[in-house]
Amino acid sequence: AQSVTQLGSHVSVSEGALVLLRCNYSSSVPPYLFWYVQYPNQGLQLLLKYTSAATLVKGINGFEAEFKKSETSFHLTKPSAHMSDADEYFCAVSEGSQGNEKLTFGTGTRLTIIP
Amino acid sequence: DAGVTQSPTHLIKTRGQHVTLRCSPISGHKSVSWYQQVLGQGPQFIFQYYEKEERGRGNFPDRFSARQFPNYSSELNVNALLLGDSALYLCASSFGFNEQFFGPGTRLTVL
Repeated sequence: AQSVTQLGSHVSVSEGALVLLRCNYSSSVPPYLFWYVQYPNQGLQLLLKYTSAATLVKGINGFEAEFKKSETSFHLTKPSAHMSDADEYFCAVSEGSQGNEKLTFGTGTRLTIIP
Repeated sequence: DAGVTQSPTHLIKTRGQHVTLRCSPISGHKSVSWYQQVLGQGPQFIFQYYEKEERGRGNFPDRFSARQFPNYSSELNVNALLLGDSALYLCASSFGFNEQFFGPGTRLTVL
């Protein structure tokens, strides 16, 4: 069974500082990994995804994540936080192939930016 | 292109009632998945349909059912509503490659 653990339900960083949101996964097969952002009272927008190509994945809004198989991690980073980055972020894992793409999500990390 | 659309946006029901939620996928997408997101938690997988066949079912009671129509739109039905069914219900569609696109959700409140 696949699972995701997001360490830290709340993370606060100063504007301009490094953002680091942690995600560890468990999967019995090579995983597909995703980071989504959820805007208030809205659905989820995909930030980036890892699908067994390059281990360093670049996404939208300056975010990137590195897949580390030895650590079973897929942490999300951004070099310089902006006030507009304050939202909730979810890490997710999928083991499926086309037509069988169940996503298992972590419990989320709420990012607060301190002016 | 229009994204995933869901209706209604919000609805309020009382315990024991039935509810139907609707989802229209992105044009060309043949897979639709449903997720339940309770306040303060991550989304939980309920169902996936691909080419009108059920491909996956999460750990939800039989009160939850779904179907996909020939035009690939989908309905999620919940019978005998409980207070604990209050949540944001998210629909996602995909063309493949494990990338799912989410709709804005339906906020269900059960009183």
